[in-house]
Amino acid sequence: NAGVMQNPRHLVRRRGQEARLRCSPMKGHSHVYWYRQLPEEGLKFMVYLQKENIIDESGMPKERFSAEFPKEGPSILRIQQVVRGDSAAYFCASSPGTEQFFGPGTRLTVL
Amino acid sequence: GNSVTQMEGPVTLSEEAFLTINCTYTATGYPSLFWYVQYPGEGLQLLLKATKADDKGSNKGFEATYRKETTSFHLEKGSVQVSDSAVYFCALIRYNNNDMRFGAGTRLTVKP
Repeated sequence: NAGVMQNPRHLVRRRGQEARLRCSPMKGHSHVYWYRQLPEEGLKFMVYLQKENIIDESGMPKERFSAEFPKEGPSILRIQQVVRGDSAAYFCASSPGTEQFFGPGTRLTVL
Repeated sequence: GNSVTQMEGPVTLSEEAFLTINCTYTATGYPSLFWYVQYPGEGLQLLLKATKADDKGSNKGFEATYRKETTSFHLEKGSVQVSDSAVYFCALIRYNNNDMRFGAGTRLTVKP
């Protein structure tokens, strides 16, 4: 059983561009979580999704950020019109309903 | 609401020293408790867990005991190694609730 997959591992964008981060959960896991980690800081919860539903997006900025977890395919975290402050590591985790299993993260750098 | 508080770092120890990283929690009901470890440049890995009061989780020489009376889950290791240098996160999840809460993380550096 492969672990949680995230791609790309590193993403460089210029200010104003869009960033799309992908997460494929572990097989059989229907719960997906996205977290942001700023340099030298802890994890900040962003959004919790189940298939085709957003369960909790209380940690997501109101503008420019969106997430989806379609019936088929990976979960996508989308950041529109990126700014330098979006530079961070974005981690996805999946869960069968108990503890969470983390992917290796996508490190976004905004130039 | 549910929350986790960890001791602030960074923590710097010499090899073979004793490690304690404090973690206390606030939660309704009976949460499950976890310690995750993040090595440089990697994602979080589950280190150990405990699902009910007085349970002791253990892995790779690390231990933590679920103390309901003090709402704590302190991480301990008797003799740290340089390879234990990482950031350690305490976390909780309530039973039948997918809302996992993490502490701020504690950076541990072990010097030879």
